[in-house]
Amino acid sequence: AQSVTQLDSHVSVSEGTPVLLRCNYSSSYSPSLFWYVQHPNKGLQLLLKYTSAATLVKGINGFEAEFKKSETSFHLTKPSAHMSDAAEYFCVVSELGGGSYIPTFGRGTSLIVHP
Amino acid sequence: SQTIHQWPATLVQPVGSPLSLECTVEGTSNPNLYWYRQAAGRGLQLLFYSVGIGQISSEVPQNLSASRPQDRQFILSSKKLLLSDSGFYLCAWSGQGTSTDTQYFGPGTRLTVL
Repeated sequence: AQSVTQLDSHVSVSEGTPVLLRCNYSSSYSPSLFWYVQHPNKGLQLLLKYTSAATLVKGINGFEAEFKKSETSFHLTKPSAHMSDAAEYFCVVSELGGGSYIPTFGRGTSLIVHP
Repeated sequence: SQTIHQWPATLVQPVGSPLSLECTVEGTSNPNLYWYRQAAGRGLQLLFYSVGIGQISSEVPQNLSASRPQDRQFILSSKKLLLSDSGFYLCAWSGQGTSTDTQYFGPGTRLTVL
């Protein structure tokens, strides 16, 4: 069985400071891991994806995430926050089961960016 | 390139009325299709997924149903809406085989049941 825990429901940063959104996962097999971003009243946009090719994954808009198997973590970071980064972020773990991948979503972290 | 459409974008319906939300995908064949619901301030709940025409798996028992009449069309329905059906409904697609692990989402439908 798989599960994902986003450790913070809200993260507040000032514009220009680093962003850290934390995610821990549990998986029976080698999972695929994702981060998605959702702006208000919009669909989810894929930020980045980990599939065992490299532990440090670079995504869009300057975000990156590091897969740490020993810590079962996949935290999302960005060196410098922009106002446009204010949104809801979802960590997702996906395992192969029954011939298809079925994802499990975290409950989301709301990123607030102050000017 | 692939695109996914949902309509309507917003919908206000009275309790007890029927519902039909439509999702279509362009630019790919034999996609896996998914319906999610997102209640206010909460995460995503997987409602249904489909690996092919006429093949529907339900994740959560409720008064909603799904159908896939065509390869790239996925419909979410209800005969009688409840207040608790209000929420943001998202359709998603993924590829086949090893590509099924990545989902791509539509713009969503905001449903308000009064």
